[in-house]
Order: sequence, then structure tokens, then C-alpha cells
Amino acid sequence: NAGVTQTPKFRVLKTGQSMTLLCAQDMNHEYMYWYRQDPGMGLRLIHYSVGEGTTAKGEVPDGYNVSRLKKQNFLLGLESAAPSQTSVYFCASNRQVQNEKLFFGSGTQLSVL
Amino acid sequence: LAKTTQPISMDSYEGQEVNITCSHNNIATNDYITWYQQFPSQGPRFIIQGYKTKVTNEVASLFIPADRKSSTLSLPRVSLSDTAVYYCLVVSRGGGNKLTFGTGTQLKVEL
Repeated sequence: NAGVTQTPKFRVLKTGQSMTLLCAQDMNHEYMYWYRQDPGMGLRLIHYSVGEGTTAKGEVPDGYNVSRLKKQNFLLGLESAAPSQTSVYFCASNRQVQNEKLFFGSGTQLSVL
Repeated sequence: LAKTTQPISMDSYEGQEVNITCSHNNIATNDYITWYQQFPSQGPRFIIQGYKTKVTNEVASLFIPADRKSSTLSLPRVSLSDTAVYYCLVVSRGGGNKLTFGTGTQLKVEL
């Protein structure tokens, strides 16, 4: 099993460009999450999904959109990238039970110039 | 959501036992305490979870007093490879999926 796979691993954007980060999990997990991590800030939840076709806002949702068209995939979109979105992005997933442990991907390093 | 407080950083030497304490004063009855470990350039990894008293696995032990307002992650005989950031989370069994991480504790292990 691959677990949680994120693509791409690295990306450089210019201000105003758009892009989509893909997260795929092969564990049949119901819940999926997108976090961002900035130096000294820990991880902050951007958006999450409790099942196929559903999404919800986390702590820092502004400037991002998400979609969960298939159970195994959770997409994070930046419509108009800003330098403040330079960060490391992590995707995670877990099963339906609320306190099940999270499985994380290896992250995407995004730089917006 | 229960807020957690833990030290920003800790230093230790190889072979020592390390205890990292997390405060969660407003923990609810249905909440569990969970710890994650994160190495540089990697996503966090689940270490241990508990509800009360003591839990032990092959990696660590988790001590939770009767009032559950704090918890202590204990790493026995640390090595250089235990250098990482450790996060304490309070997770509700009752609902809500805003699993939020704080800034964690940066543990540095030296020779």
C-alpha cells in the first residue's frame, strides 16, 4: 500500500498563477484533510472532508478551494496564488471513527514569488 | 476544542529518558489524548494515544493523571534519531473533525 500520496512534491509559482495539489489515499479512508505548515507555526488546518462529495472549512480556508469528487482523492486549489501562500502543504486521512490516527503524506513545498 | 500547551523546545542526550508534558485544562469527557512525531521534511506520524492512566507501546509511554488535565509523553533511552517535533492533540470521540495541531515541542538529542 502506498498510503497517502501527494503530488507534486515541489512547485514554484508566480503571484496570480493557479494550481492544484493532489492528494490520493489507498486505505479507503472516509476523512481527508489539508494542512499548511509555516516555520514556527505548527500545522494549521485549511479544509477537510468527511466523505465523498463533502468539504468543510478549517482554521485558514481563505484563498483555497477543495474538492472531493472521488473518495480516494482530495484536491486543494489555489486560484490566484499569493506570496503568503508559500508554505509546506500536508494532506492526511483517517477512518470514520473520530479518534482514529491520521496518516500523512510527505508534503508539497510551494513557493510563490 | 480543548487547547493544549506544551514546551517549545527540549534538549537531551543519548540514552536519557525524555518526558514531554502537555497541558489540556479544558479536556472533555469524550476526548482522547494523542501524540504525533514529525521529522524534518516529513509529515507527522502517530506515536501513541490514551484516555486515562498509562499506555505503552514499542515507541513510547503515555501517562495521564486522574484529572486528565495534563499528559506526559515518555521516550525511554532516546537516540539521535528521536530528534523531532512532538505534537500533543486532544481529539474528540464525540464529533468534529477539526484536528488542530499546536506548535509542538522541538526535541533535540545530542551525543
